[in-house]
Amino acid sequence: GAGVSQSPSNKVTEKGKDVELRCDPISGHTALYWYRQSLGQGLEFLIYFQGNSAPDKSGLPSDRFSAERTGGSVSTLTIQRTQQEDSAVYLCASSRGHRSYNEQFFGPGTRLTVL
Amino acid sequence: DQQVKQNSPSLSVQEGRISILNCDYTNSMFDYFLWYKKYPAEGPTFLISISSIKDKNEDGRFTVFLNKSAKHLSLHIVPSQPGDSAVYFCAASEGSNYQLIWGAGTKLIIKP
Repeated sequence: GAGVSQSPSNKVTEKGKDVELRCDPISGHTALYWYRQSLGQGLEFLIYFQGNSAPDKSGLPSDRFSAERTGGSVSTLTIQRTQQEDSAVYLCASSRGHRSYNEQFFGPGTRLTVL
Repeated sequence: DQQVKQNSPSLSVQEGRISILNCDYTNSMFDYFLWYKKYPAEGPTFLISISSIKDKNEDGRFTVFLNKSAKHLSLHIVPSQPGDSAVYFCAASEGSNYQLIWGAGTKLIIKP
């Protein structure tokens, strides 16, 4: 498929464990975003990658969160020492450019549950 | 501090009638607005957008209206169809900045 893919689709973990969430963007898209959607809330920006530029990490809620993007393609969001408040749907999106009018294409998300 | 607010968590509309989804914002610097649609277990998909230089943008059954003085935008769907049942998110940005500020969404239910 040519869309954005994310894995796993669901992840249940115990408090204190580390988790890794993966995103495969659309080929050729230079911009990649991670968002978090908690129950009843809008999408919360986490981090943004654009080409080879330094990522915008301003949305990461704590230093337990980190992300990397290898070779300008696949991205991994890592949450260390997970807490119950980390439970949410984590969405990845990619776009051709870095302007708001460049349509963002979303993956189906990873639903993270921290027990 | 929610800069983009969708005050109706849900809306139920009869098939064939008009659906009107509302969105309010507080930041007067926002100049680009978007609507996304989300089905369960899928990511949001882009629906329609509007720049602050316009007050209306139309695409088929979907029209977005922008009232800058009231800091309010609305999405009209006419006529509503069962496939329109989804969660609709309003988002805004400032100066075509890549960062979008999102509302909490409105769940639209189209009744047959």
